[in-house]
This record gives sequence, structure tokens and C-alpha cells, in this order.
Amino acid sequence: EAGVAQSPRYKIIEKRQSVAFWCNPISGHATLYWYQQILGQGPKLLIQFQNNGVVDDSQLPKDRFSAERLKGVDSTLKIQPAKLEDSAVYLCASSVTGTSFSADTQYFGPGTRLTVL
Amino acid sequence: GQQVMQIPQYQHVQEGEDFTTYCNSSTTLSNIQWYKQRPGGHPVFLIQLVKSGEVKKQKRLTFQFGEAKKNSSLHITATQTTDVGTYFCAGRSTGAGSYQLTFGKGTKLSVIP
Repeated sequence: EAGVAQSPRYKIIEKRQSVAFWCNPISGHATLYWYQQILGQGPKLLIQFQNNGVVDDSQLPKDRFSAERLKGVDSTLKIQPAKLEDSAVYLCASSVTGTSFSADTQYFGPGTRLTVL
Repeated sequence: GQQVMQIPQYQHVQEGEDFTTYCNSSTTLSNIQWYKQRPGGHPVFLIQLVKSGEVKKQKRLTFQFGEAKKNSSLHITATQTTDVGTYFCAGRSTGAGSYQLTFGKGTKLSVIP
């Protein structure tokens, strides 16, 4: 079974530039998550999709971050404009369903390491 | 909002020694998950605990969920170099629509051969 795919793996940009990350979840997984992991910290949920609808985006800085999951499969996360404090690893994860205790193991992708200069 | 705290932040052990990390939540949890992240890698799911007082074992790893469902622990017996990594707990609070997992900051385990 293929895992969660993410691209690019690394990205270096200057502050105020824009950047986009792509995620392809495990086939058949209804729920997709984007996390931000700053060095030395645990993953912080940015946004959670159930199919193509947003379940939770309470911690997404909506003035600069946006995400979409058209057709309920792939997803993109965009930052515009980037700030220095956005330097982090952006992890995408998927689960069969985010609402069932027995089936919501999250499978993480390799992440995209973003450096903002 | 919900907070999940983990201690210690770092732990260095001699190979063969035991290791324990503790997780405490500011709110009652519906369930708690544990993940392991190897250096340079991504979090990998280890286990989920749901019931009050639950204890689960995976080979040398023992996971416990507190009676009040506000704390949890992971104990590794006789550590090996393959145990190196950061161990995260992640809790989901109770209440309708509480789907969000809140991760602790993790405990970074180093094993000295």
C-alpha cells in the first residue's frame, strides 16, 4: 500500500514570497490533515478535511495560509506571503475517517521542510 | 484550549536501561495516541488508548492510560539503539465535534551503546 506522498521535500524561499505544498493521501482515506512542526516541538494541526469539506481550521493563520482539497483527494497548502516564523516542516497525514475512534490512525507523509530567509 | 504536556523533554539512557515518558492533559481525553519520530523522519503511529486505566503492551513497550483519562505513560524496558527517536503523545478531548488531536512537545530519547 502506497503511503502519503508530499512534494516538494525541501523548499527555500525569501520572506514575503509565496509557496505551495502538495499532498496525496493514502487511497480511500477520507480525512486529510495538514500539520506544522517547528523544530523541537510536536506537530500542530493547521487544518483537517473530511472528504472535501473543512472540519477544523481553528489554528490556521487565515490571513496568509490557505488550503484546499478539491474532489476530496489531493490537497494543497499555500502560504502567501511567507514570514520568517513559518520555517518548519509541513506534514500531511491521512486517516480512514477522523470521526471513528477505531479507525482514525493517522499516517504521516515525509513532510516538506520549509526555510524562509 | 487543550494543552498536552510531556516530560521529560530529553532522556539519555545507557543501552539496556529502562525509559519512561509521561503525558498530562489539561482536559479529560476521549482517547490518546502515541507516535514515534525517528531523527529526520515523520511521526509513525504506535498505539491508541481509549478506556480508563487501559494498559497495552507491544513487546518491550508498555502504554498506560490514567484512570481519570488525563494522563498517560509509555515505558520501554531494556532500551536498544533502535529505540532512538522522539516519542509524542497526542490527545483528543471529549465533547461533540472534538476531532482535533493535540500533540505534546515530545520526549527525545538517546540511547548510549
